[in-house]
Amino acid sequence: AQKVTQAQTEISVVEKEDVTLDCVYETRDTTYYLFWYKQPPSGELVFLIRRNSFDEQNEISGRYSWNFQKSTSSFNFTITASQVVDSAVYFCALSSQNTDKLIFGTGTRLQVFP
Amino acid sequence: DTAVSQTPKYLVTQMGNDKSIKCEQNLGHDTMYWYKQDSKKFLKIMFSYNNKELIINETVPNRFSPKSPDKAHLNLHINSLELGDSAVYFCASSQDPPGSSGANVLTFGAGSRLTVL
Repeated sequence: AQKVTQAQTEISVVEKEDVTLDCVYETRDTTYYLFWYKQPPSGELVFLIRRNSFDEQNEISGRYSWNFQKSTSSFNFTITASQVVDSAVYFCALSSQNTDKLIFGTGTRLQVFP
Repeated sequence: DTAVSQTPKYLVTQMGNDKSIKCEQNLGHDTMYWYKQDSKKFLKIMFSYNNKELIINETVPNRFSPKSPDKAHLNLHINSLELGDSAVYFCASSQDPPGSSGANVLTFGAGSRLTVL
């Protein structure tokens, strides 16, 4: 069965702190894809990143970075120097070659205080 | 110019009524989806259409009927509304169909909050 676990329900930080959102996944498929989506208070979900299972290279995009570790089945997301605009619910998700649909985690609510 | 637009944004109705939510995308994508987000923020796929053809039907009660008149539109009709149908319904689209390497890179609409009283 496919499963995504985001153990952190809510995280609060002060602006400029670094914060890491954890994501652990389960799948028996060898080809799969991992995603992060952001849902700001306005409600609309925004795609952030997609990684395939054969590419373990970490990725950095501005203040955002992602750490994919197959050995621990994790795909963690770090925001460096957080800003108030980063406040949102962040969802990790999984799809695979044999399961076309996207399986979402339960989300982590990040609150960044000024 | 909104990429994926849903109407209405808010919908309050009585149990037993029938209602529809409309979705349109102007991205030229071939694949469209309906997702349901419950009160605990849990997101789950309901349907996926590729070029007007139903691809995914995720054990949704048959009171829910999607309709895709063309690949730019995917509407959701709900019959005999129940209290448990209260949720936010998101329409989304993607350039690539389910099963392809580019699948599930989704552009979402703003959501339609349905409240059943």
